[in-house]
Amino acid sequence: EAQVTQNPRYLITVTGKKLTVTCSQNMNHEYMSWYRQDPGLGLRQIYYSMNVEVTDKGDVPEGYKVSRKEKRNFPLILESPSPNQTSLYFCASTPGSVYTGELFFGEGSRLTVL
Amino acid sequence: KQEVTQIPAALSVPEGENLVLNCSFTDSAIYNLQWFRQDPGKGLTSLLLIQSSQREQTSGRLNASLDKSSGRSTLYIAASQPGDSATYLCAVMNQGGSEKLVFGKGTKLTVNP
Repeated sequence: EAQVTQNPRYLITVTGKKLTVTCSQNMNHEYMSWYRQDPGLGLRQIYYSMNVEVTDKGDVPEGYKVSRKEKRNFPLILESPSPNQTSLYFCASTPGSVYTGELFFGEGSRLTVL
Repeated sequence: KQEVTQIPAALSVPEGENLVLNCSFTDSAIYNLQWFRQDPGKGLTSLLLIQSSQREQTSGRLNASLDKSSGRSTLYIAASQPGDSATYLCAVMNQGGSEKLVFGKGTKLTVNP
C-alpha cells in the first residue's frame, strides 16, 4: 500500500530536549516536504527536498533541521524545542515533478513542548 | 507574496444540497492548484489537481474549476452527503523558481442529515 509514514504520532516533550520526527514514503517519490498546522494560521511549509541531498527552506524554517540521505526518508529535527513549536506536523511527498504531481500526506505528528 | 484565501471559513448545509467552495489567490503565476480534504485528527487527502493550463477537473461528485487570470478556483460538490463533512483546503504551487506550496486556511463543511 502506498503511504507516507510519520513517527511518532503523538509526543510530549520538554523545552530543549532534542527530538526527531521521522518520515518515510514507500512510493519512490523524489519530492518530500514538512508542514506545520496551527489554528488560525493554516498549513505552513517548513522545509522541502527535491531529491537526495537537496533540501531548501520553506516559509518557517527557524528552529528546524532536515536531512535527505536516502530517497525514502526525510526526518525533521528539532535541536532545542521551544513551546512555540507545539503544533501538528505533516510530512508529504509527490512523484516525479512537484509541478504536476499530487501531494500525498502522512497522518500527522502532534507535538507538545512544555 | 502569494496569498490564498478561502471563504467562507465554515459552511453548514442539509444533505442532498449542491454546494460550491471558493478559493482565491493573489498571484496568477502558478503551476497548479490542488484541493484537499482533511478529516479531524487526520492528514490531508488530495481530491483534485488542476494544472495551470487546465480549466477544470472532475472526480465523481466533485468538480474543480480554475480561472487563473482572475485568481479563482471553485470546488463544486454535487448531492452532498454527511460523509462529505470535513475541512476542504486549496493550495497553489507558485512559479518563479521556488517549489513551495501555499495553502488556504480551509473551509469547514458540515452536511446535516
